[in-house]
Amino acid sequence: EAQVTQNPRYLITVTGKKLTVTCSQNMNHEYMSWYRQDPGLGLRQIYYSMNVEVTDKGDVPEGYKVSRKEKRNFPLILESPSPNQTSLYFCASSQYGTGGLEQYFGPGTRLTVT
Amino acid sequence: AQRVTQPEKLLSVFKGAPVELKCNYSYSGSPELFWYVQYSRQRLQLLLRHISRESIKGFTADLNKGETSFHLKKPFAQEEDSAMYYCALYNRYAGKSTFGDGTTLTVKP
Repeated sequence: EAQVTQNPRYLITVTGKKLTVTCSQNMNHEYMSWYRQDPGLGLRQIYYSMNVEVTDKGDVPEGYKVSRKEKRNFPLILESPSPNQTSLYFCASSQYGTGGLEQYFGPGTRLTVT
Repeated sequence: AQRVTQPEKLLSVFKGAPVELKCNYSYSGSPELFWYVQYSRQRLQLLLRHISRESIKGFTADLNKGETSFHLKKPFAQEEDSAMYYCALYNRYAGKSTFGDGTTLTVKP
């Protein structure tokens, strides 16, 4: 089944403790992206990658890192999480086609930083 | 800078009534616009894309470059249409995606 998976789905952590949220897709998509979803603020892009070893900042990259060493994986790293990073995070992947860039989303990771 | 504005955070209509969810964008180039929907406890999924000019679940959206709008419309709303709707713009040259803040649609029986 074609899908985007994220792990963990739920995470509660403390300020300053490094964490990684994994994202994997099995559709051989070139484009991958991370978003955070906050009430009243909609979906905001954190980082995106148009291909392996190519990453770019989105609108809210501060406090986050990403890497794209292989096509299928695009982990999101929080080196020193802070409470303002408490949010719902979505990973997405897509392959540019004639229909434009339709993105396929993961199920989301709910992160709480205390 | 690219920007997407959805002026209504909440929209409530009765079943069978027409519904229009507004989306305005700001982008200097030729935009690629999409509508995504998120039903309760489900992941976001694509509803419509302006390139294909399709009708999905009775919804349509027309790109109006003069008014820089991409409003989503349905002539007769159904209760199962209740969800969060996001308008999104993709900049193919920069690879950047911008979503609006979303509109929560509630269709009352």
